Amino acid sequence: QKEVEQDPGPLSVPEGAIVSLNCTYSNSAFQYFMWYRQYSRKGPELLMYTYSSGNKEDGRFTAQVDKSSKYISLFIRDSQPSDSATYLCAMSVAGGAQKLVFGQGTRLTINP
Amino acid sequence: GAVVSQHPSRVICKSGTSVKIECRSLDFQATTMFWYRQFPKQSLMLMATSNEGSKATYEQGVEKDKFLINHASLTLSTLTVTSAHPEDSSFYICSAWTSGGADTQYFGPGTRLTVL
Repeated sequence: QKEVEQDPGPLSVPEGAIVSLNCTYSNSAFQYFMWYRQYSRKGPELLMYTYSSGNKEDGRFTAQVDKSSKYISLFIRDSQPSDSATYLCAMSVAGGAQKLVFGQGTRLTINP
Repeated sequence: GAVVSQHPSRVICKSGTSVKIECRSLDFQATTMFWYRQFPKQSLMLMATSNEGSKATYEQGVEKDKFLINHASLTLSTLTVTSAHPEDSSFYICSAWTSGGADTQYFGPGTRLTVL
């Protein structure tokens, strides 16, 4: 069993839809949770960074962490074609210069 | 801020040759840099962690004699793939972390290595 599981998709939705992306994990020691966006042949770009459980909102993006269920989510409101990318969840046991464990990534396409 | 660059962005080499990839933090000093590889449609797998002035720490299964990492300064780390073979073809991505900034890693744009 992988430490972090993420449905690879692909996921295709119409423009303007609310997108829900999810990851589950098995290591209860994870404390830091991140979502990265990666365009084709580019490096990952940090979207959201959350410590422990709870919600965090940034513009059209909302990250949720439920440590009791070992489940994290990223919601994208009013999705745009420019949001089409691969979304990677990542986690670490501690902050700072710590090893990140990534999910497989979900390929998302927003159709105009 | 927090820009990380990689050079080259793409390299094609013959089997048996060595290739060097550079990772630079452009506007901050990176105490720690990480090297990842990513196969098509797969996630990033950590290869090694390097701290400035110290030997790199390699993940299990990564050959340290094949993937040489040097972190000679706070803004530059290099990955050298020695005696490259076609199975080494991959997307190599570095990330950098600084103790003085946000508590997360910033990624470079990646280097596509193709070994013929």
